[in-house]
Amino acid sequence: DQQVKQNSPSLSVQEGRISILNCDYTNSMFDYFLWYKKYPAEGPTFLISISSIKDKNEDGRFTVFLNKSAKHLSLHIVPSQPGDSAVYFCAALYNFGNEKLTFGTGTRLTIIP
Amino acid sequence: DAGVTQSPTHLIKTRGQQVTLRCSPKSGHDTVSWYQQALGQGPQFIFQYYEEEERQRGNFPDRFSGHQFPNYSSELNVNALLLGDSALYLCASSYGQGQETQYFGPGTRLLVL
Repeated sequence: DQQVKQNSPSLSVQEGRISILNCDYTNSMFDYFLWYKKYPAEGPTFLISISSIKDKNEDGRFTVFLNKSAKHLSLHIVPSQPGDSAVYFCAALYNFGNEKLTFGTGTRLTIIP
Repeated sequence: DAGVTQSPTHLIKTRGQQVTLRCSPKSGHDTVSWYQQALGQGPQFIFQYYEEEERQRGNFPDRFSGHQFPNYSSELNVNALLLGDSALYLCASSYGQGQETQYFGPGTRLLVL
């Protein structure tokens, strides 16, 4: 049972444009969401997170939006840069402090120069 | 400041064998979590260790076991290896609660033949 879903395995975006990565979840108990970025031969790196009490969180070029009614979140990267090319994982957990992360299957983002 | 380190980087075993993977957490961290990432999938939570005890466990059989030492380093043991155990095994460390402080190591790539 895939509780966190990333339905786009890959995405290509022109440098300087906006990248939008999407994530859906089924477990309404999830109350904290995170995005991780992974380069080949490296472990995932934390990017940005959002609590279920918020609908938006921004950090520089990265913004995460949460739509609880639709059980959907998205990561916006603007402007996209070549160094953003990586695999992006959406992750969720419930009962913040319970540190079992549930990950999506990832989206490979390619930024075209 | 060394980040999370894992050894070995790659490993080849045959079915039925046993394997031990090792993880040293980031300096100052006291909690270690292990994840399995199969090809094309997101990381799956195996278990978490804190104060030398298993604090949480995911849906993995008892063939998967672990240990945490007084210096907070950790081992993951897998007995009676199956072909399906071939995956990237990731270790993540953190201090107390708070997912955004969870740091991942580069992983150990295990191939079971």
